[in-house]
Amino acid sequence: AQSVTQLGSHVSVSEGALVLLRCNYSSSVPPYLFWYVQYPNQGLQLLLKYTTGATLVKGINGFEAEFKKSETSFHLTKPSAHMSDAAEYFCVVSDMRDNDMRFGAGTRLTVKP
Amino acid sequence: EAGVAQSPRYKIIEKRQSVAFWCNPISGHATLYWYQQILGQGPKLLIQFQNNGVVDDSQLPKDRFSAERLKGVDSTLKIQPAKLEDSAVYLCASSLEGLTLHFGNGTRLTVT
Repeated sequence: AQSVTQLGSHVSVSEGALVLLRCNYSSSVPPYLFWYVQYPNQGLQLLLKYTTGATLVKGINGFEAEFKKSETSFHLTKPSAHMSDAAEYFCVVSDMRDNDMRFGAGTRLTVKP
Repeated sequence: EAGVAQSPRYKIIEKRQSVAFWCNPISGHATLYWYQQILGQGPKLLIQFQNNGVVDDSQLPKDRFSAERLKGVDSTLKIQPAKLEDSAVYLCASSLEGLTLHFGNGTRLTVT
């Protein structure tokens, strides 16, 4: 079965700094990869997804992620952090055969003024 | 469009009691998921339905948890009997194409 590892349970950045949240996956078949975000007191929502095609995918709120097969990674980045980006971020891997969605443990992003 | 509806929002029970959660997915969404999210952890997939058939229930503790999706629409997740370690948020999600998950607000269960 596929799985995902998020490196760093907590990441703290200053406002305006680069955001980098790390995700590595394990899958025996070509994966689908996602990032979901959970803002305080809100439900989970999709940030971006990779299925096929271009390996650099752009999502909402200025976030993007790059699928690197050779490194089995799907790291999430944003050039300049905003206070409103403070949230919990989850990397998700799916088996394209049955859409079995497996979540990572999550990374809590704190943005300092 | 209306989102995924879950009820109740909160539930407090004593250990060894039973509890049931209800989920109404977005209309037309064939795939329905139940996740368990323990505080400080990522959501753990309990069961996945495609219409009213089970696709994956490998992580469902079948000695105490059960789930059904009658007529391929609403779904119910039951725990009987509950244990202290079942305290968590139970999330329901649905998907039209099997890619984007649409989540409900969840049910927060506290077992005392």
